[in-house]
Amino acid sequence: DAKTTQPPSMDCAEGRAANLPCNHSTISGNEYVYWYRQIHSQGPQYIIHGLKNNETNEMASLIITEDRKSSTLILPHATLRDTAVYYCIVRFNSGGGADGLTFGKGTHLIIQP
Amino acid sequence: EAGVVQSPRYKIIEKKQPVAFWCNPISGHNTLYWYRQNLGQGPELLIRYENEEAVDDSQLPKDRFSAERLKGVDSTLKIQPAELGDSAVYLCASSLVPEETQYFGPGTRLLVL
Repeated sequence: DAKTTQPPSMDCAEGRAANLPCNHSTISGNEYVYWYRQIHSQGPQYIIHGLKNNETNEMASLIITEDRKSSTLILPHATLRDTAVYYCIVRFNSGGGADGLTFGKGTHLIIQP
Repeated sequence: EAGVVQSPRYKIIEKKQPVAFWCNPISGHNTLYWYRQNLGQGPELLIRYENEEAVDDSQLPKDRFSAERLKGVDSTLKIQPAELGDSAVYLCASSLVPEETQYFGPGTRLLVL
């Protein structure tokens, strides 16, 4: 079973920031938080990942709470092309070995014009 | 840089027929994954290769599914014979090493009639 809990769907207005929450209350020390998204009829696309610290790249920002039990993916200026299913995944990675990805059902983000 | 390549993109077969899917990972990636995605669900890992070796095939239904990665580059996933319940999208992903980020191909959409 997936180790994360996400809302099944969310709406966001175009041009606004989209904030997608994820709960991972049983996360352990060697588990990273990964975010992928899947646009209709395409393969999953990597967005960002982190362990403890907040992370930012050209696509998004990842905010992880201090206790690591939850996180938020932020798309700063959502566009219609950001409409997709967003998956929050907790993945074991010790540096000497790592699991595959265990996907849940994700959050279907719909960007409204 | 070319991404993960999969073929065919779509396949329609009758039940009890064999079918094969092909994957070419990103150049230099030694780890290759096959996932299956049922309608409305997230992808589920079937098998993971490190070079030529299948290091995790615990979720591969071995009575009808087989996979190979003969030279540690391309991989083939086969189903023989196919059943109606095998209708799904079959996704291939690769990573430089197991600990690094996985990148997905577009998938092969299989319909078994």
